[in-house]
Amino acid sequence: GDSVTQMEGPVTLSEEAFLTINCTYTATGYPSLFWYVQYPGEGLQLLLKATKADDKGSNKGFEATYRKETTSFHLEKGSVQVSDSAVYFCALITPGAGSYQLTFGKGTKLSVIP
Amino acid sequence: DAGITQSPRHKVTETGTPVTLRCHQTENHRYMYWYRQDPGHGLRLIHYSYGVKDTDKGEVSDGYSVSRSKTEDFLLTLESATSSQTSVYFCAIGEGAGTQYFGPGTRLTVL
Repeated sequence: GDSVTQMEGPVTLSEEAFLTINCTYTATGYPSLFWYVQYPGEGLQLLLKATKADDKGSNKGFEATYRKETTSFHLEKGSVQVSDSAVYFCALITPGAGSYQLTFGKGTKLSVIP
Repeated sequence: DAGITQSPRHKVTETGTPVTLRCHQTENHRYMYWYRQDPGHGLRLIHYSYGVKDTDKGEVSDGYSVSRSKTEDFLLTLESATSSQTSVYFCAIGEGAGTQYFGPGTRLTVL
């Protein structure tokens, strides 16, 4: 079945540091890829997405590029802020799978310190 | 934000009691989902619905049932709660392979 593997956390960075959270996937079809963010005590919010190879999703300074050849969708941000502290989830949906369920990675907790 | 509400937001119950969680949407999305979130597991699909009275199982459906009698409401029932069902439950809505939007979650504790 489909699966998503993302780097284990927690990740602790100083403010203005560069962020990379690695995400790789296995899928039987041609998936759409997502990054969701969960702030403490809240539900998940879509951060960005990409639906085909070489697409770049971007939002709030975060970027991720759909790399079909390496089956990856790494999340990056050039300069993190304290307000970016959250749990980040990589996920995919495989069209044609019937349920259109999201398959999630286990999440990476990011803490940004001043 | 997508119009999704969940009730209750917090619940504490005892082993063996029935529990029903409600998800309500105002977006008229066809698909509705119940996920549970547990440390070290990310989110896992319990059940989903692809229309009124059309439901199917996800990967962790044992011990859970669902019903959808109206487009806007999707109920998750634990017939006889167990401690292993202590979790945070999220409802989500979507349209096929597009973005799914999540509710605020229900924290359930089974003693």
